[in-house]
Order: sequence, then C-alpha cells, then structure tokens
Amino acid sequence: EAQVTQNPRYLITVTGKKLTVTCSQNMNHEYMSWYRQDPGLGLRQIYYSMNVEVTDKGDVPEGYKVSRKEKRNFPLILESPSPNQTSLYFCASSFDWTSGEFFGPGTRLTVL
Amino acid sequence: SQQGEEDPQALSIQEGENATMNCSYKTSINNLQWYRQNSGRGLVHLILIRSNEREKHSGRLRVTLDTSKKSSSLLITASRAADTASYFCAPRGGGGNTGKLIFGQGTTLQVKP
Repeated sequence: EAQVTQNPRYLITVTGKKLTVTCSQNMNHEYMSWYRQDPGLGLRQIYYSMNVEVTDKGDVPEGYKVSRKEKRNFPLILESPSPNQTSLYFCASSFDWTSGEFFGPGTRLTVL
Repeated sequence: SQQGEEDPQALSIQEGENATMNCSYKTSINNLQWYRQNSGRGLVHLILIRSNEREKHSGRLRVTLDTSKKSSSLLITASRAADTASYFCAPRGGGGNTGKLIFGQGTTLQVKP
C-alpha cells in the first residue's frame, strides 16, 4: 500500500530535549516536505526536499533541521524544542514538485 | 506570497446541495491544488489544475482556474454528509518558488443529513 508513515504519532516532551520525528514513504517520490498546523494559522511549510541531499527552507524553518540522505526518509529534527513548537506536524511526499502531495497521518507534539 | 486564501471560511449546507469554495492568490503559479482534511487527520489530495488549464473534473468535483484574476473555485456537486471536512487550496509557485506549496486557512464545510 502506498503510504507516508510518521513516527511517533504522539509525543510529549520537555523544553530543550532533542527529538526526531521520522518520515518514510514507499512510493519512490522525489519530493518531500514537512508542515506544521496550528489553529488560526493553517498549514505552514517548514522544510522541503526536491531530492536526495537537496533541502530548502519553507516559511517557518527556525528551530528545525532536516536531512535527506536517502530517497525514502526525511526526518525532522528539533535540536532544542520550545513550547512554541507544540503543534500538529505533517510529512508529505510527491512524485515531483508539480504533483499533488501524499500526506502522512500527522504527529501531535507537545513541548512542556 | 502565493498563499491561497479561501472564501468562505465556513459553509453549511444540506445534503444534496452543491458547495462552492473560492480561492485567491497573489503571484504567478505553476499549478493549484485542492486538499481535504477530516478533523485532526492528514490531508488528502483532491485535484490539481495546471496554470494552462481552465477547468478540471474529478467525479463530483469541478475546479476552475482563472489566472487573470488569480482565483480558483472548487465545486462539490450533490454533497453528502461524508463531504463534511475542511478544504484547502494550495498554489504552487512558478519560477524560483517551485518547491513551496503554501496553504490557505481553509474552508470548513458542514453537510447536514
């Protein structure tokens, strides 16, 4: 089954404790991206990757890192999480940048 | 920015009626995409219309694009209770912004049985 998986689905952590949210797709997609969704602010793109070893900032990259060492995986790293990073996070992938995106189920992160 | 802005923010209709949602954006685009999100879940891609297309159909969905007005509309015909969800437009920029897909705030559609 074609899918984008994210782990963990739910996470409660404390300020400053480094964490990684994994994202994996099994569709051999070139393009992957991360979004956060907050009430009243909609979905905002954090980072995107057009291919392996190619990443670029979206609209809200501060406080986040990503890597794309292999095509299927695109982890989101929070080196020092803060409470304002409490949000619902989505990973997405698409065949290329001109195609529609497949979204993962989301990761609900709470930073205390 | 090319952020899409949906209108109305909320829409409530009876089952069987048509629902129309509008989207406006500000810059040139390569394509414009519509997505649906059921509460708290991942977005589902509905339809993509390219900048050189004016209308596209998929089942009960009809999307139009007017690049001169920088606007798009999504029509859902013969709505069903299962269509209750939030709908987002997302313009994909052209030129140097091809990587960015910027979503609007969405239209919340409620279809009453």
